[in-house]
Amino acid sequence: RKEVEQDPGPFNVPEGATVAFNCTYSNSASQSFFWYRQDCRKEPKLLMSVYSSGNEDGRFTAQLNRASQYISLLIRDSKLSDSATYLCVVPFGGYQKVTFGIGTKLQVIP
Amino acid sequence: GAGVSQSPSNKVTEKGKDVELRCDPISGHTALYWYRQSLGQGLEFLIYFQGNSAPDKSGLPSDRFSAERTGGSVSTLTIQRTQQEDSAVYLCASKRRTSADTQYFGPGTRLTVL
Repeated sequence: RKEVEQDPGPFNVPEGATVAFNCTYSNSASQSFFWYRQDCRKEPKLLMSVYSSGNEDGRFTAQLNRASQYISLLIRDSKLSDSATYLCVVPFGGYQKVTFGIGTKLQVIP
Repeated sequence: GAGVSQSPSNKVTEKGKDVELRCDPISGHTALYWYRQSLGQGLEFLIYFQGNSAPDKSGLPSDRFSAERTGGSVSTLTIQRTQQEDSAVYLCASKRRTSADTQYFGPGTRLTVL
């Protein structure tokens, strides 16, 4: 099993739709997780952290399922500007290093 | 405040030449990372610096790759005798020491080896 696995997509969804991505990880000791967003030909930027109790920021909700070792990102009321690649990030090696997933590409269609 | 900066933004070189890529981290950030992202691929960890500690070089793909960080700030990634498979975007990130802190990325250097 890869350290971090994501469905690369693309996920093509209409504006206003709700879309969810999952990311599975292999290291059961991992404690903190992140979702980053990467626009085409740009650097990754932090979208949100993922806490054990979940995390919500406006239209975005991140959740952690430790038992099944996956994190999820839910985007409600999709906007055209949400089109990007969403990277799942899992720490390892004492949490100073992280592993990035390959990313899930989202395309929001008018 | 100023973010992470990298130079050059683009570099085209011929196979066999050496290249140097530079990263200026955010002031006060003690941790610095180099990653490589090939077309359609995820970010590949290369090397990690933390303060004055010995760098973690476990991600460097070959001995043609090396990096240094002077004065705990600016870092240079050097690729010797470049190969076509070295073509990628090289991203630098920095963060404060605290484990759970966010990594802030620079805009990257797009390297093309002809």
